[in-house]
This record gives sequence, structure tokens and C-alpha cells, in this order.
Amino acid sequence: ELKVEQNPLFLSMQEGKNYTIYCNYSTTSDRLYWYRQDPGKSLESLFVLLSNGAVKQEGRLMASLDTKARLSTLHITAAVHDLSATYFCAVDKTGTASKLTFGTGTRLQVTL
Amino acid sequence: DADVTQTPRNRITKTGKRIMLECSQTKGHDRMYWYRQDPGLGLRLIYYSFDVKDINKGEISDGYSVSRQAQAKFSLSLESAIPNQTALYFCATSDPTPEGKLFFGSGTQLSVL
Repeated sequence: ELKVEQNPLFLSMQEGKNYTIYCNYSTTSDRLYWYRQDPGKSLESLFVLLSNGAVKQEGRLMASLDTKARLSTLHITAAVHDLSATYFCAVDKTGTASKLTFGTGTRLQVTL
Repeated sequence: DADVTQTPRNRITKTGKRIMLECSQTKGHDRMYWYRQDPGLGLRLIYYSFDVKDINKGEISDGYSVSRQAQAKFSLSLESAIPNQTALYFCATSDPTPEGKLFFGSGTQLSVL
């Protein structure tokens, strides 16, 4: 059974600081997704990582994938309040993008 | 207008009642999904469909059924609702590109009393 673990589960950080969210998974996969959910809202796609060593960046967020270590990271640079949200990673074990297993989410709170 | 629309947005029902959640999409995607979200558990897949004639169980399909009425419509039914089905339900679509990222509806908050 595929298990996807995120840590930390909750992160409070000050504006301007850097931090990393970790996503570990238990079985082989080379397809990993990051989603963002604002409070009371739906989920929106942030990054799709499709191979070992993949790195994608958008604004203050950068995601990477190490399939050998079964680890993805979401790095936040110089956090701003607008990044406050819950971040989910999700792993596809089928290779067809048909059945994602989600992590429990990391709730990020950026304080002024 | 939203690309993936779910109705109702909120629903309160009683144990034992039958309830249907509806999802429609204008993205033209063949693939549609139903997930439920529980606090501290992330999202879990209930059912998914690759086209009108293809329905598949997800990891937590017991107590649920689905109907794919058309490419654009995918409904989820709880035949006899129970309190532990209280959750936030999301419909999603994806296209068959290599990325396969999901596009989510706004969610239906269901409470079973």
C-alpha cells in the first residue's frame, strides 16, 4: 500500500523567512504533484514533477523530486502572507495519472 | 463560470437517507473523479471514470455508487448515508496528457446527522 507522508503538518513562519516542506512516499513512483488549498476553497495545481531530478519553480515556490530517495520538497523563499494555505503532495503509483494518493497536507501560516 | 461545478455546495441529511451529489464540467475532459477530504487525512479517491463506459473503484468505494451520465456529468450517490460519511467531497477532472493534473470543483460539504 502506498503511503505518502508530509512534514511538518503545520508550519508557522514569519514573512521573509525560508523553509522547506517534505513529502516522502513508500513505493516507487516517478510522478508527483503539489497542490494548494486556501481555507474553505478548492485545490489548485502548483507543480507536476514527472522524472527523477525534476525541478520546477514559480515565484517564491520551488519543487523538486528525488525518485531514488522517494522524496519531494517544496521550498519557500522569502515567504509572504499570501502563501498562507494548505499544501498537499500527491503521488501517482499507476503511471497513468489515474489514481493519486495524497499526503495529509501541510498547513502553512505566514505571519506578518 | 467554473469549469467544474458541483451541486449542492452544502447538504445536511439524516442517517439512512439516500443522497446524490452532482458534478458537471465544461473542460471537455474524459476523466472524472470523486474524492473525499477529512481533516488530517488528506484526500482519498472514491471512484473514477475514464469515459462514459468506464467506471472504477477507488480506495474507499464502500457505501458509495456513481453514475456517468455523459462525458460532462458524473454523480456520486450515498445509498444509505451514515455519520462517518460526513466530509468534504470534491469532484475533479483531468485530461490524458502526460501531466494528468487534476482540476477540482469547489466541493460539497456533506453532514450526516
